[in-house]
Order: sequence, then structure tokens, then C-alpha cells
Amino acid sequence: AQKITQTQPGMFVQEKEAVTLDCTYDTSDQSYGLFWYKQPSSGEMIFLIYQGSYDEQNATEGRYSLNFQKARKSANLVISASQLGDSAMYFCAMRERNTGNQFYFGTGTSLTVIP
Amino acid sequence: DAGVIQSPRHEVTEMGQEVTLRCKPISGHNSLFWYRQTMMRGLELLIYFNNNVPIDDSGMPEDRFSAKMPNASFSTLKIQPSEPRDSAVYFCASTSKQGFIDQPQHFGDGTRLSIL
Repeated sequence: AQKITQTQPGMFVQEKEAVTLDCTYDTSDQSYGLFWYKQPSSGEMIFLIYQGSYDEQNATEGRYSLNFQKARKSANLVISASQLGDSAMYFCAMRERNTGNQFYFGTGTSLTVIP
Repeated sequence: DAGVIQSPRHEVTEMGQEVTLRCKPISGHNSLFWYRQTMMRGLELLIYFNNNVPIDDSGMPEDRFSAKMPNASFSTLKIQPSEPRDSAVYFCASTSKQGFIDQPQHFGDGTRLSIL
């Protein structure tokens, strides 16, 4: 079974609007971390935001927030007030305590912001 | 702070040649990962090391690929002989603190490899 599932290969959003990128995960570990990365067309992988399995509040970093629903095993990324520079590939990833330093990545969602 | 450093940034070589990609992880990080990214297959984990020891190399495509980590500050990924289907972007990433789930992976800028 896939550890991380991103079901949206591509998404479009109007500039200044909010957009949600979906991510579901599969783990039997009680302790795990969830991460989102951005990969612009220039190619680098940029760490955006982190959510821990025991965190009671949703993580926020500027215009990025993580809609964490533990019972549903989902960790959706919300980008508010989209900007043209947000056009990029976005990857969801997970790290489990029991598997040490192993990371699991999803297949990514390509976001295009329309002016 | 210096990030993960990869070299070269770009490599173009002919089929059959040996290719060596290099990576310097962030100082203090004890885990290092090699990934390959293509349009067709996305981001694939090739191998990762904990404390310089290879832990999982199940993603290494075939015997033409080999990776080493002789010390905590240096790793190589070698392809010999190279083939056109090896053309991809190769990323190195590092992280710290095994068992600390809040530590992200930090990626290098990648090596764009083209095999003619």
C-alpha cells in the first residue's frame, strides 16, 4: 500500500484565491511527522511546513497551513491568497518514528496559478 | 548555514562512460538519501545511509549503480556504464536525529544528468 497518496495530478487556482492540495497517508505508527515540499520549475525542493501526529493545532507558516485530520489520515495543504510564484509541484511526505529516518513521498500535485 | 551541496550541477556524457555524482550533507546530519527524479517515474528513493551505513538500497536500479559514504561529510553515487535511460535529475538530501519525527529532509539543488 502507498504510504502517501496525492490524488490530484494537477490543480488550477485564480490568483489571490485559496487552494487546497490533498494528501492522505497510511501508517500504523502512533508517532509520525508530515511534511510538505514545493518544487518550482527551477527544480529545487523547498521545505514548507511540518505537522506532528501529536500536534493538536494545525500548523501554519505564513500563507501555508496544514489541515490535519488525524482520524481520516489526511494532511491537506492550504495556500491562501495564491500568488503567481506559487505555481510549482507540491509534494507531501511522511516520517515515522519506528522506521527511523526513512521518508515517504507522494507523487506530487502540479499547481498552476492563473492571473 | 551551508545547505546540502551537490556537484556537478549539470553533467552531459556519452553512453558507456562512468558518471560520479557527489554530495556533502549538512554538518551534523546523520542520514543521507539519494533520489532520482524523472517525468515518467517521479521522485524515486535510490538508497539511504544512517551514520554512513547503507540501510536500504532496494531502489538502486541495477548493478550499474553504486553508492558510498566513506565519512559523515561526503557521499558519491556512481553509474558505470551509463545509459541514456539514466538521464534524470539526481537529488541528495540529508536529515538528522533518528527517531525525531519533526526533522525535515533538506535537499541539495540536484544534478541534472544527460546521457547521450
